This record gives sequence, structure tokens and C-alpha cells, in this order.
Amino acid sequence: QKEVEQDPGPLSVPEGAIVSLNCTYSNSAFQYFMWYRQYSRKGPELLMYTYSSGNKEDGRFTAQVDKSSKYISLFIRDSQPSDSATYLCAMKSGAGSYQLTFGKGTKLSVIP
Amino acid sequence: GAVVSQHPSRVICKSGTSVKIECRSLDFQATTMFWYRQFPKKSLMLMATSNEGSKATYEQGVEKDKFLINHASLTLSTLTVTSAHPEDSSFYICSARSGSAYEQYFGPGTRLTVT
Repeated sequence: QKEVEQDPGPLSVPEGAIVSLNCTYSNSAFQYFMWYRQYSRKGPELLMYTYSSGNKEDGRFTAQVDKSSKYISLFIRDSQPSDSATYLCAMKSGAGSYQLTFGKGTKLSVIP
Repeated sequence: GAVVSQHPSRVICKSGTSVKIECRSLDFQATTMFWYRQFPKKSLMLMATSNEGSKATYEQGVEKDKFLINHASLTLSTLTVTSAHPEDSSFYICSARSGSAYEQYFGPGTRLTVT
């Protein structure tokens, strides 16, 4: 079993829809969770980061972490064509190195 | 804030030559820089971790003599692909973090094509 599982998609939604992106993980030591957005042929851009369980909201984006289920989500409200990108989840354990473990990414297309 | 640049953005070189890629943190001091490689439609593969002033730590399977990493200052790290071959063609991305922060900020990537 891989440490981080993420459905690669592609996921296509109409403009204005609510998008739900998810990752599951197996390492209970993960404490820090991040979501990155990567446009084609560009480097990943940090969208959200959270520590431990709970919700965090930033504009149209909400990140949720459920450590008991080892499940994290990113919700995008009122999705726009400009949200079309690949979304990568990443996580890190609480101590030790600063290396991140990434999911494979979900490719999202928001259709006008 | 937290801007990371890479240069060049794309490079084409002949087989057998060496190519240097620069990664700079523009508005913060990067305690640690990471080098990744990304294949089409695949996730990021960590190649090595470098701390300023010390030798890089390479991931298993990454040849340290082929991928030379130098992190000479808190704002600059370089990756040199030596004796490049067509199979080294890829998208190389660096990231940086500072202090006790755990989030990494990525550069825009460098597309290397070896002919």
C-alpha cells in the first residue's frame, strides 16, 4: 500500500460546481497537510496547509483533515475555468526531516 | 512573499554535455532546498535534499556523481546534470523552505531536453 493515495482523475465539472478532491494515507505519523495546485508545465503552488485535524478556509477553498480516518479533502466552491489544474496533496510527519510525501495529483477541468 | 525562481526555464543540450540549473529563493533565506524530477502525468520524485553549506542527501537510486548539487548560500542552489543522456530529459523542479517552517515553495521548473 502506498503511503498516500490520490485519484488521478481526470475530473471534469461545470463552472460554478463544488469540487471535492481527496487523499487517503496510511502513515499515522503525518501531522502536517498541504494542497498544491500545478498548472501545466509550471511548478506547484502552495494553496493551503493545515496542522493535525480540522478545517481551514481561504476564500473559495476549504481544506479538511480527518486524522481518525486518515483522509484529507480540498473543497473548491464556485469553481472557475482558471481552477483547471492538477491538485497535489502533500504531507509530513511531526518530527524529523522536512521531506514531504506527495500524492500523484488529480487533474481537474472546469468547463465554462 | 516566498518566491522561488529557476533558471533556465527550458534548455536543450546535446548528449554528453553538462547542464547547470539554478534555483534561487528571492525573498527569504532557504535553510533547505529540494530537487525534484517530474515525468509527464506523474507526481514529483524527490531527487535530493540540500542544506546550505553541507553535502546534499540523495534519494535511493539517484546517482550523486551524475546529478551534482551545490547549496553554497542561503538563497542559491544549483543542480548540474553531468554527461547528459536522452533519458535525463525531464522537468526538474526545485523547492525551498526556511527556519522551522515545513511548507515548501516551488520554483517554476526547468524543462531539460537532451538530444
